[in-house]
Amino acid sequence: GESVGLHLPTLSVQEGDNSIINCAYSNSASDYFIWYKQESGKGPQFIIDIRSNMDKRQGQRVTVLLNKTVKHLSLQIAATQPGDSAVYFCAELYNFNKFYFGSGTKLNVKP
Amino acid sequence: GAVVSQHPSWVICKSGTSVKIECRSLDFQATTMFWYRQFPKQSLMLMATSNEGSKATYEQGVEKDKFLINHASLTLSTLTVTSAHPEDSSFYICSVRTGRNTEAFFGQGTRLTVV
Repeated sequence: GESVGLHLPTLSVQEGDNSIINCAYSNSASDYFIWYKQESGKGPQFIIDIRSNMDKRQGQRVTVLLNKTVKHLSLQIAATQPGDSAVYFCAELYNFNKFYFGSGTKLNVKP
Repeated sequence: GAVVSQHPSWVICKSGTSVKIECRSLDFQATTMFWYRQFPKQSLMLMATSNEGSKATYEQGVEKDKFLINHASLTLSTLTVTSAHPEDSSFYICSVRTGRNTEAFFGQGTRLTVV
């Protein structure tokens, strides 16, 4: 089913530090997950994805970790930059068809 | 990937009127499109799955008679908010998927304000 969105928690980090954003997903049968970045007034942008047969996947400055046992995803951003300031959502693919979004975290990068 | 375009980007309408939002897949023929709604400081909530040539599939709690979806071609889906009320004011976003186990590509969203 769908995770219900509540008011967004905020993570504040200093420029240059690493950021870790967490997400809990709801359906144990989901087997594909994506992290999206959303800037104010815009649609979500793809950051990185991971399939359920993997525990970890790395991209450029970003790493996604998947723990299926506790239905948990995390996004690690290395050397966080001001341009990383946005809202981050995880999304799970349900029934090979539609994506449901987690509640989101607002990342605030302080210069 | 897929390039998805929404129109309009921003609309203000009077309470009681209807508003149509278009979602176009510019470079991919999409048999399925998805409509989401996002209230301020909240997550994206899936409203419905738009199916080309057939009826849309609505998520639980979404009124199909209020949110009319028409997917008349492989590149265009429309969402009509009928008899809009201020509580319908939200950010409406559509998305397209190009394959069974691939990411969703999103439009830029439409900001609806009902006054």
